[in-house]
Amino acid sequence: SQTIHQWPATLVQPVGSPLSLECTVEGTSNPNLYWYRQAAGRGLQLLFYSVGIGQISSEVPQNLSASRPQDRQFILSSKKLLLSDSGFYLCAWSPGLSTDTQYFGPGTRLTVL
Amino acid sequence: QQPVQSPQAVILREGEDAVINCSSSKALYSVHWYRQKHGEAPVFLMILLKGGEQKGHEKISASFNEKKQQSSLYLTASQLSYSGTYFCGTEGRSNTGKLIFGQGTTLQVKP
Repeated sequence: SQTIHQWPATLVQPVGSPLSLECTVEGTSNPNLYWYRQAAGRGLQLLFYSVGIGQISSEVPQNLSASRPQDRQFILSSKKLLLSDSGFYLCAWSPGLSTDTQYFGPGTRLTVL
Repeated sequence: QQPVQSPQAVILREGEDAVINCSSSKALYSVHWYRQKHGEAPVFLMILLKGGEQKGHEKISASFNEKKQQSSLYLTASQLSYSGTYFCGTEGRSNTGKLIFGQGTTLQVKP
């Protein structure tokens, strides 16, 4: 069966510090991968998605970046965090077809102080 | 563009029914419904596809009106476990896998 992992689960970082969040998927190959951000009490905002290694599409201009160094690994990064980067970051995967379910990871709660 | 969900919040007693609506200003290829408990990841409920195909939960039904660019989620005989925030995610073109989520509808079921 497929599982998706995210770490860390929670993170408190000062403004201006770097960020690296990791997401890995097990039990499948060549998944579509997604990064979402959810501000407190708000909906899900798609940040990046990837259909293959090295293929990243950015949906929202911001100080965040994403990379996919391996087939089942997706990394979200920032060189300098802003207060507005606080939120719940969710990674998701799907088998690859547009009509397939997206399965979400447990999320990382990021607080920027 | 972000789909609009209504109502924003609803409170039910166990056994009552509820309808959650999702409306888009653009033509839709598919609509995906998720439920999220507080502090947890969203959980898949249902996919509705252009052409009428549905895939999803046994105890939850939904409709998709392609012409009106709307979808509705029907929760019947609600249980306490139905409490949470419901999101619709819409896909405007086929084969992109990109979903734009609504702002969510909070459902609270009381005993």
